[in-house]
Amino acid sequence: EAQVTQNPRYLITVTGKKLTVTCSQNMNHEYMSWYRQDPGLGLRQIYYSMNVEVTDKGDVPEGYKVSRKEKRNFPLILESPSPNQTSLYFCASSLGASGQAGDGYTFGSGTRLTVV
Amino acid sequence: GQNIDQPTEMTATEGAIVQINCTYQTSGFNGLFWYQQHAGEAPTFLSYNVLDGLEEKGRFSSFLSRSKGYSYLLLKELQMKDSASYLCVRAGNNRKLIWGLGTSLAVNP
Repeated sequence: EAQVTQNPRYLITVTGKKLTVTCSQNMNHEYMSWYRQDPGLGLRQIYYSMNVEVTDKGDVPEGYKVSRKEKRNFPLILESPSPNQTSLYFCASSLGASGQAGDGYTFGSGTRLTVV
Repeated sequence: GQNIDQPTEMTATEGAIVQINCTYQTSGFNGLFWYQQHAGEAPTFLSYNVLDGLEEKGRFSSFLSRSKGYSYLLLKELQMKDSASYLCVRAGNNRKLIWGLGTSLAVNP
């Protein structure tokens, strides 16, 4: 089944403790992206990747890191999480840049992160 | 979301038709998406319009007028499971996506 697998689904952590949210897709998509979703602010892009070893900042990259060593994986790293990073996070992939091949994004199930 | 306007909430009755409107900034336009998002779940892709006109896909249709910066999503034969948020998303020619805040649709029996 074509899918984006994101883990964990839920995570509660403490300020400053490094964490990684994993994302893997099995559709051979070139484009991958991370979003956070907050009430009243909608979906905001954190980082995106056009292909292996090619990553770029989105609209809210501060406090986050990503890597794209393999086509299928695109982990999101929070080196020193803070409470303002409490949010719902989504990984997404698409065939073309920003889903503009017309097929749109396929999203992972989401990670609800709480930083205390 | 900046430059995207859509109603915050709408209510409709099961079996009816509902139209969700979206207006957007026309400069640098390169396509318009609609996504559905149930509470606590990931968005799912519904439609993509890049040319003017109506695209029909089962009970859902999406319309685009590029000159007016206007799109709508039309849902027919509404079902309870259609209760969700509907996100209008504008693609720019720099490959950036601008996400609307969504229209929360409640379908009542």
